[in-house]
Amino acid sequence: AQKITQTQPGMFVQEKEAVTLDCTYDTSDQSYGLFWYKQPSSGEMIFLIYQGSYDEQNATEGRYSLNFQKARKSANLVISASQLGDSAMYFCAMRSNSGYSTLTFGKGTMLLVSP
Amino acid sequence: DTGVSQDPRHKITKRGQNVTFRCDPISEHNRLYWYRQTLGQGPEFLTYFQNEAQLEKSRLLSDRFSAERPKGSFSTLEIQRTEQGDSAMYLCASSGGDDSNQPQHFGDGTRLSIL
Repeated sequence: AQKITQTQPGMFVQEKEAVTLDCTYDTSDQSYGLFWYKQPSSGEMIFLIYQGSYDEQNATEGRYSLNFQKARKSANLVISASQLGDSAMYFCAMRSNSGYSTLTFGKGTMLLVSP
Repeated sequence: DTGVSQDPRHKITKRGQNVTFRCDPISEHNRLYWYRQTLGQGPEFLTYFQNEAQLEKSRLLSDRFSAERPKGSFSTLEIQRTEQGDSAMYLCASSGGDDSNQPQHFGDGTRLSIL
């Protein structure tokens, strides 16, 4: 069984500052993928970034980067230079590569960016 | 690429009624997923299609739930004899290709409210 834990129910950050959203996972699989999604109040789930378990380098996508520490089973999302539009729920998810490609999500972290 | 489309966006119905939701995936995507999201939680997997074959169903999917993808394109999710506990956001996602690191792209969801 897979489990995702996001321990921060809410985070506050000032505009233009960086913020780290925590994610730890539990799995017995050797090959898996980790994803971060953003969900604004409108409800749509927006894909942000992906990290494969065998990727040696941390993934980056624009202002998003994933701090992947495999031994600690953590996959934290770093958002640099926060913008007001970053205010949303953020979900960490994982997918095992050994079965069907369904996602297991954490409970999410609400990020509020203030001016 | 017009994105994943879901219809309706909102559905309000009385307990005991049947409801049906539709999902149109991204046109070239062969994989389609249904998730359910309740307030304050991350999405939970319901069922998965590869082309027209339903390959996996969650234990969350009781006998009152049925999903189809008859021609490997759009999918429907039907809930019979709705109950209060069915109130949730129902999300559809699709992905393509054989590479397991392909992200799932989500629609805006159908919000179901049971009176």
